[in-house]
Amino acid sequence: KQEVTQIPAALSVPEGENLVLNCSFTDSAIYNLQWFRQDPGKGLTSLLLIQSSQREQTSGRLNASLDKSSGRSTLYIAASQPGDSATYLCAVPGGGATNKLIFGTGTLLAVQP
Amino acid sequence: NAGVMQNPRHLVRRRGQEARLRCSPMKGHSHVYWYRQLPEEGLKFMVYLQKENIIDESGMPKERFSAEFPKEGPSILRIQQVVRGDSAAYFCASSPFQDHEQFFGPGTRLTVL
Repeated sequence: KQEVTQIPAALSVPEGENLVLNCSFTDSAIYNLQWFRQDPGKGLTSLLLIQSSQREQTSGRLNASLDKSSGRSTLYIAASQPGDSATYLCAVPGGGATNKLIFGTGTLLAVQP
Repeated sequence: NAGVMQNPRHLVRRRGQEARLRCSPMKGHSHVYWYRQLPEEGLKFMVYLQKENIIDESGMPKERFSAEFPKEGPSILRIQQVVRGDSAAYFCASSPFQDHEQFFGPGTRLTVL
């Protein structure tokens, strides 16, 4: 059974710092991994989707890497800004005949101005 | 191309009433997923539907909950005889194919008094 863990659960950094969020999963037989952002009381915004054949994906100040063999993904945020404050979630397909997503519990990020 | 739409955005029900949550997928998307986010918990898969068919309902409570995705119109998540424990944010996601990135709606926040 796939389990997804995110560390740390919460993170507070001053503006301008580079930071790394971690996601680990127990079953490496995944074909992609998604990172999402969720603002308080809001829906999910997809940030990056990494296919299993890729090692990393970049979008602006965000870079996500995927190491299937070790069951890990990292989300790197460069030059953090107060507007980056949100909960960051990673998710992998749960396997089987469907594409249901298994989510981690998230990292709550606060970027202090 | 409008994104995934959910309505209502907020729904208040008294114990014992019925709740109907609607999800209109993105244009051209025939795969719909429902997820639930309980207070202080992560997102959990509930049900996966493809037009007129329930493909996977392994995450759906056995009683009081049902889902449909008719040939015409939105997908409906129906909760009968709601209880306080049903209070949560319910998110819908859609995709054009089974093994494809999922796009999430803004969610419906259900409060049971």
